[in-house]
Amino acid sequence: GAVVSQHPSWVICKSGTSVKIECRSLDFQATTMFWYRQFPKQSLMLMATSNEGSKATYEQGVEKDKFLINHASLTLSTLTVTSAHPEDSSFYICSASGLAGGKGEQFFGPGTRLTVL
Amino acid sequence: AQTVTQSQPEMSVQEAETVTLSCTYDTSESDYYLFWYKQPPSRQMILVIRQEAYKQQNATENRFSVNFQKAAKSFSLKISDSQLGDAAMYFCAYLSYNNNDMRFGAGTRLTVKP
Repeated sequence: GAVVSQHPSWVICKSGTSVKIECRSLDFQATTMFWYRQFPKQSLMLMATSNEGSKATYEQGVEKDKFLINHASLTLSTLTVTSAHPEDSSFYICSASGLAGGKGEQFFGPGTRLTVL
Repeated sequence: AQTVTQSQPEMSVQEAETVTLSCTYDTSESDYYLFWYKQPPSRQMILVIRQEAYKQQNATENRFSVNFQKAAKSFSLKISDSQLGDAAMYFCAYLSYNNNDMRFGAGTRLTVKP
């Protein structure tokens, strides 16, 4: 099956610093990648959608200058949380879709737990 | 915008028994996809089953089956012969045919009692 990895799996940072999270499709080309945020005991909330080589499309209420998304290749997307603050602490999940799987199917990474002190 | 509603925050089932998780959705589209995802404590999202709206036949994957009622906009998941490993959060999700936006329900936490 299609595999998506995320790195790091867990990161702790100081308030005001920036953190980069990588999302990689390991065995298929991901034409589209998605970034979700999940608070404890809540559902996944879509933050943004990115297509390879183009700018990401952000959901309403998501600050594009704070959550920088880059999808430079068909196997890699990055999410950078700039000037992180404690309220940015959350579980971030990426997913990818492409030619793998059925139409519309998204393959999810294992997630990254971000803790901002 | 499409919305997905899971009205059961928590459900419990005895091992080897059958349980049904409910999901309803709101849409004006005729073509779309519906999914059930499982999220165990590891938090890795795992696809359980998918259904294309144009297909009348209910999808089945081993012990997992759905009851898809398009007119009622209902998409329930039935888990037969429940196993301890089925304990997890279950999310119902809607995907428009025309774009990639996947919308998730609030989730149902399933507990399996030995």
